[in-house]
Amino acid sequence: GENVEQHPSTLSVQEGDSAVIKCTYSDSASNYFPWYKQELGKGPQLIIDIRSNVGEKKDQRIAVTLNKTAKHFSLHITETQPEDSAVYFCAASIQGAQKLVFGQGTRLTINP
Amino acid sequence: DSGVTQTPKHLITATGQRVTLRCSPRSGDLSVYWYQQSLDQGLQFLIQYYNGEERAKGNILERFSAQQFPDLHSELNLSSLELGDSALYFCASSAGPGFHQPQHFGDGTRLSIL
Repeated sequence: GENVEQHPSTLSVQEGDSAVIKCTYSDSASNYFPWYKQELGKGPQLIIDIRSNVGEKKDQRIAVTLNKTAKHFSLHITETQPEDSAVYFCAASIQGAQKLVFGQGTRLTINP
Repeated sequence: DSGVTQTPKHLITATGQRVTLRCSPRSGDLSVYWYQQSLDQGLQFLIQYYNGEERAKGNILERFSAQQFPDLHSELNLSSLELGDSALYFCASSAGPGFHQPQHFGDGTRLSIL
């Protein structure tokens, strides 16, 4: 399969709190999972990625976890700030089709 | 700034027409990918070129075609345009041929079909 399901579609959190976005994938051969942030009027910006030989990766306030058995991965943003407000997309590599498949996106709003 | 340049930023045209979208990849990147982003379909992969050769094909319509030139810039040609082709078209680039490596996106071309 080529599905990537992303939840929630919208997320609103108070500034300073944490935000978590979850994705599930169907291709058991998927081995690359990037996350993108898209601001209004801009293209998606790569913020972090993880490969299937790693269970967790962290970069300052952003972390991604991967559970290969359950075929899901999550984005964690801690100490959220107003500039974190954007649409976030997860993606998974699809080996057979030689492409990335993207989730439907999560609109994250940080309330001051 | 991702280093990927797309022109034009906006394009307004009519049904039945043909347009060309242009993309310059990041310096040193040999792969170019084209994506379509619409409200109901999300980001859909269209096609990838690596060093001038077609590498992978996604959900690209027969009315659409692309090419990558010796200077590595790429063009996406859309013909016999329909209302449903209205969308954002993004180009991304990466260093090598594999799709499982970081792709860096341009800011897109917004295509509106009237």
